[in-house]
Amino acid sequence: EAGVAQSPRYKIIEKRQSVAFWCNPISGHATLYWYQQILGQGPKLLIQFQNNGVVDDSQLPKDRFSAERLKGVDSTLKIQPAKLEDSAVYLCASSVRQTGSTIYFGEGSWLTVV
Amino acid sequence: AQKVTQAQTEISVVEKEDVTLDCVYETRDTTYYLFWYKQPPSGELVFLIRRNSFDEQNEISGRYSWNFQKSTSSFNFTITASQVVDSAVYFCALSEPRSGNTGKLIFGQGTTLQVKP
Repeated sequence: EAGVAQSPRYKIIEKRQSVAFWCNPISGHATLYWYQQILGQGPKLLIQFQNNGVVDDSQLPKDRFSAERLKGVDSTLKIQPAKLEDSAVYLCASSVRQTGSTIYFGEGSWLTVV
Repeated sequence: AQKVTQAQTEISVVEKEDVTLDCVYETRDTTYYLFWYKQPPSGELVFLIRRNSFDEQNEISGRYSWNFQKSTSSFNFTITASQVVDSAVYFCALSEPRSGNTGKLIFGQGTTLQVKP
């Protein structure tokens, strides 16, 4: 069974530029998550989708971050304009259902803002 | 409030030593799940184990074992006869699935394990 796919793996951009990350969850997984992991810290949830609806985006900096999951499968996370403090690994994850099931992670997209 | 504490920031051992990674959690719920993930240098979070709050049985999987004690709110992870390939960052995480919660994972800060040959 294929795992969670993410692209690009690495991205370097200048501050104030924009960037987009793509995620394809495990087939059949209704719940999709985007986590931000800053170096030396544990991952922090940015946004959680159940099918194509947002369940939790309380920690998403909405002035610069946006995410969508239009058809309830793939998802895109966008940052515009990027700040230096956005340098982090962006991890996409998915699970069969919203609660009580194991959450599987992709390899992450490493962002460096210079 | 939900919280996960991994007090050990870094641990260094020599190959074949046993090592225990500590995890202490805080929750007001009686129903919750605890997880351990491994993050090698490649960056992917690899799922190791999930335990629900009603199952306090210890688990063993090969060289890995987990000790869940509700009385002390701890879910510790032991690697027996450590190997160089065990070198990684290990995260403990908590999820509260009750109605009204989203089931998201709350992670600890992680413990970096270095196993030297």
